[in-house]
Amino acid sequence: DGGITQSPKYLFRKEGQNVTLSCEQNLNHDAMYWYRQDPGQGLRLIYYSQIVNDFQKGDIAEGYSVSREKKESFPLTVTSAQKNPTAFYLCASSPSAAGGTDNYGYTFGSGTRLTVV
Amino acid sequence: SQQGEEDPQALSIQEGENATMNCSYKTSINNLQWYRQNSGRGLVHLILIRSNEREKHSGRLRVTLDTSKKSSSLLITASRAADTASYFCATALSPTGKLIFGQGTTLQVKP
Repeated sequence: DGGITQSPKYLFRKEGQNVTLSCEQNLNHDAMYWYRQDPGQGLRLIYYSQIVNDFQKGDIAEGYSVSREKKESFPLTVTSAQKNPTAFYLCASSPSAAGGTDNYGYTFGSGTRLTVV
Repeated sequence: SQQGEEDPQALSIQEGENATMNCSYKTSINNLQWYRQNSGRGLVHLILIRSNEREKHSGRLRVTLDTSKKSSSLLITASRAADTASYFCATALSPTGKLIFGQGTTLQVKP
C-alpha cells in the first residue's frame, strides 16, 4: 500500500541529546513537509522540501535540521538547541513541488510523539 | 501567526444532528482544504475547494468558500459517533505551496 511511514511512534530524548525522526514515502511525491503539533494546537511548519537535495525553513526551524538525499526520505533531527522539543511531529507529502497549490491534498504519516525525559 | 482561525474551538452534538465549523483566513489563497485528525493520529484529507469555487460536496460533507469575506465553512450532515475528531482548515499559499493550518475545531458526537 502506498503511504507515509513515520518511525518511531514514540521517542524519548534526554537533555542535550540529538534525535532523528524518520519519514519515508512510497507515493513518488516530490514535496515533503515536517510539522509540529502541541497539545490542543494546530500544526506549525518546521521544514519543507520541494525537490531532492533542496529544502527550506518553515516558521519554526530553529533547533531542527533536515536532509533530502533521496526522494522518498525526509528525516528530521531535533538538536539539543531545541529547548522545548516535547510535541507530536507529523510528516506529510504532496505530489508536486507546487505543494498545496497543485490542488491535491497532503498525505500525512501517523506521527511521532517526542518526549524529553 | 496562524493563517486560519477556526470557530468554534469545540463542538458537542448528538448523533444525527448536523455540525458546522467555520474558518477565517487572512491572505489571498490558491485553495482551502479541510482535514480530520483522530486523537493521536495523523491528519486525513477530507475535501479541497479552489479559490474560484463557492461550494463543494463530498458525501455528507459540504464546504463553502467566500473569498470576499475570507471565510469557509464545513458542514457535516447526519453526524455519527465515528465523526468525533478534530477538524482543521488549511490554506495553500502561492508560490511555495505551503499549507498553513488553523487551530482546529474539536467535534464530539454523542451516541
